[in-house]
Amino acid sequence: EEQLAESGGGLVQPGGSLRLSCAASGFSFSDYEMNWVRRTPGKGLEWVSYINRRSTTLTYAATVKGRFSISRDNAKNELYLQMKSLRADDTAIYYCARERGKGYNMDVWGQGTTVTVSS
Amino acid sequence: QSALSQPASVSGSLGQSITISCNGASSDGGGYKYVSWYQQHPDKAPKLIIYDVSNRPSGVSTRFSGSMSGNTASLTISGLRAEDEADYYCGSYLSSTRVFGGGTKLTVL
Repeated sequence: EEQLAESGGGLVQPGGSLRLSCAASGFSFSDYEMNWVRRTPGKGLEWVSYINRRSTTLTYAATVKGRFSISRDNAKNELYLQMKSLRADDTAIYYCARERGKGYNMDVWGQGTTVTVSS
Repeated sequence: QSALSQPASVSGSLGQSITISCNGASSDGGGYKYVSWYQQHPDKAPKLIIYDVSNRPSGVSTRFSGSMSGNTASLTISGLRAEDEADYYCGSYLSSTRVFGGGTKLTVL
């Protein structure tokens, strides 16, 4: 079964840092582009960041650019999101999602990891 | 404010059909249209239910269908069931970024 499993969430103070991980299993991780998406309380889904198969193209939402960094380790089948200078409005459930096809469709999602930014 | 506009809520009775709109979806220069739809139940991960405007992934009920006219995409759910009550999001690709609509809460009466 194709699966993604996030980890690394938790409670962090404003201005702090956190690193999220996403472990892939059941498919050839290196063959797929990947994304991070978050769901904020009361605001719905927000795309956060994208990485292509060889890590040569990285893109970010304007709200996190300069503070978040996406990376992957194809040998370990893992995706990462390094988050710095965290703010209260970064509080959300963070999902990793596999992208498939030409149409930017996200067809496999993890269960999410919760990040709470609060003093 | 999302670049893709969806109604905040829709409702329908058991067995009826409803349609959720998504305004602002894009296509590339060759006319390929980028629209996907996701269903999310409370405390669950989003699930892809429609991709490339009107295609259903394996295992998704035929009660779910998608279409597009101009820059407005639509998700139709026919024969409403209680388990269809969820949040629904459209997704597209605009200005070199992936975007989601603001989400529509479907209430099944």
